[in-house]
Parts: sequence; structure tokens; C-alpha cells
Amino acid sequence: DAGVIQSPRHEVTEMGQEVTLRCKPISGHNSLFWYRQTMMRGLELLIYFNNNVPIDDSGMPEDRFSAKMPNASFSTLKIQPSEPRDSAVYFCASSRSSESYEQYFGPGTRLTVT
Amino acid sequence: DQQVKQNSPSLSVQEGRISILNCDYTNSMFDYFLWYKKYPAEGPTFLISISSIKDKNEDGRFTVFLNKSAKHLSLHIVPSQPGDSAVYFCAASYNNNDMRFGAGTRLTVKP
Repeated sequence: DAGVIQSPRHEVTEMGQEVTLRCKPISGHNSLFWYRQTMMRGLELLIYFNNNVPIDDSGMPEDRFSAKMPNASFSTLKIQPSEPRDSAVYFCASSRSSESYEQYFGPGTRLTVT
Repeated sequence: DQQVKQNSPSLSVQEGRISILNCDYTNSMFDYFLWYKKYPAEGPTFLISISSIKDKNEDGRFTVFLNKSAKHLSLHIVPSQPGDSAVYFCAASYNNNDMRFGAGTRLTVKP
């Protein structure tokens, strides 16, 4: 079975532009998580979904960030407008929450905003 | 707020010796703890976990210890191998969903 798939792997954009990160969770997993990794703060939970429903978005830094999960196999994290301080690695993870605490992470998207 | 803290950003040990990575947490509601390992350009991968009802869990060279009264857990790797060189994240969860991670500790095992 394929793991969590994220695209793009790298994104370089200019300040003010819209950025959309994509994630395909592992088939059969019903929970999906978006994380941001920075040198200063490590791995921060931004938002998570259970059965496609957003449960906790308290980690989303600002209104410039939004996330959607239109179906069980796809989620997006959008930043509009992007700023240089948004530069980080963004990870998506999924889990079968009824069975295990273990989350499976994608390879991440490295975002650079210039 | 940093509910999970890894106060050592880096650790260097000699091959064959023991590596001890530490983690502290503040939320007494956490009921499950995990360690993840991360190589460069890859996502974190699950390593070992422990429930709050236990104080020790062992899996091969890896052992996790939990001290609930001190709100402290540690990961022991023995013997350490060069392939263990990676960033290790401590994580804690209290409702099987909302997981909080520490900032990570970079372990370097020297041959």
C-alpha cells in the first residue's frame, strides 16, 4: 500500500502569492493531520480532520491559512497570501484512529517564500 | 504553548554505547506517548510507544521509560549504531487524535 502522498515536494513562491499544498492519506485511514516543522518550534500541529470533518484548527497560525478535506482521499492546505515567515516544511499524516495512536507521515513539502 | 519539551537539541554518542533521549511534558491528561525518528528529506516514522498505564516498553535495542509523577519519558538505544543518527521526536496524545510533538533531538552516533 502506498504511504501518505504529498505534493509538491518543493515549492518556491514570492510573497503575496497563493500556495496550495496537497495530501492523499493512506487508504482506509480516517484521520488526517497537517503539521508544520520549523527550526525554532519543531513539529506544530496545524489542524486535524476525523472522517473529513475538521476537529481542531487551533494550531492554524492566522486567517491566511485554510485547510479542506472534500473527501476521504484528499486534503489541501492553502496559504493566501503567503509571507516569508511561512517558509517551513509542511507534513501531512494520517491514521486509523479507532485502532492506533500511530500516525503515518508523508515526505513533506518544503515551502520557501521569498 | 509547548506541552511537550525536548530540552536537548542535539546528542552525540559513540557507536556501541547507550543513547538516552529525554522528554518532558506538562499536560497530565496525556495518556499515550510515542517516539518518532526522522531522517533528512523524509517524514517522521514511528519508532516505539508507551501507554500511561505502563512505565516501560521495550522493542529490541529501543526502550522507552515513563515516569508519570515527574511527567518525564526517555528513550534508550543500546547499543547505538551509526544508522540511528537522525532527529528523534517525542510525542504525546490524550484523545487518540490530538498529538503534540517536541522540538526534536538530533542524535549523532559516531563510528
